[in-house]
Amino acid sequence: EVQLVESGGGLVQPGGSLRLSCAASGFTFSSYEMNWVRQAPGKGLEWVSYITSSGSTIYYADSVKGRFTISRDNAKNSLYLQMNSLRAEDTAVYYCARPLGDFLTGYFAFDIWGQGTMVTVSS
Amino acid sequence: EIVMTQSPATLSVSPGERATLSCRASQSVGSNFAWYQQKPGQAPRLLIFGASTRATGFPARFSGNGSGTEFTLTISSLQSEDFAVYYCQQYTNWPLTFGGGTKVEIK
Repeated sequence: EVQLVESGGGLVQPGGSLRLSCAASGFTFSSYEMNWVRQAPGKGLEWVSYITSSGSTIYYADSVKGRFTISRDNAKNSLYLQMNSLRAEDTAVYYCARPLGDFLTGYFAFDIWGQGTMVTVSS
Repeated sequence: EIVMTQSPATLSVSPGERATLSCRASQSVGSNFAWYQQKPGQAPRLLIFGASTRATGFPARFSGNGSGTEFTLTISSLQSEDFAVYYCQQYTNWPLTFGGGTKVEIK
């Protein structure tokens, strides 16, 4: 079964750090570009970050640029999101999401999502 | 940044009725466009990609149309399991952007 499982969420104080993980199984993780998407409580979806299959190209939303770092370990079939200088507005469920295909192919809709991990930034 | 605007925010529909949801992009996204369905407490689920291709597991009562800047999602005869929030998304330019969502509720 194709699956993504996030972990690492929790309660953190403003200015603190947290590292999220996403464990992939059931597919060849190293062949896929990956993304993080978040959803604040009661709000819509916000794309956060993207990384190519090799990790050579990375993009971030402006709202997290300079504070978050996406990375991956293809040997461990894992995706990561290091979140520093956290703010209250970063409070959200964080999902990792796999697209159908590579961005350049045009098949970039997200067909596989994890169950999400909740991050709460509060004092 | 491409802004995706969904309308209406809430759609009240009786079971068995037709529902039409709209999404407008602030600039052309071609057919690099998707719809997602999200139920409470669940992750989003891909419904339509390429503007009109139904994803695995969704019945034919769901259909997507449009290209460029105007898109519609039609549910021909709403079933109880279709009441959910629907999001549109463009994946032609960075940053990827989603619409604010349309909640389809029981009338």
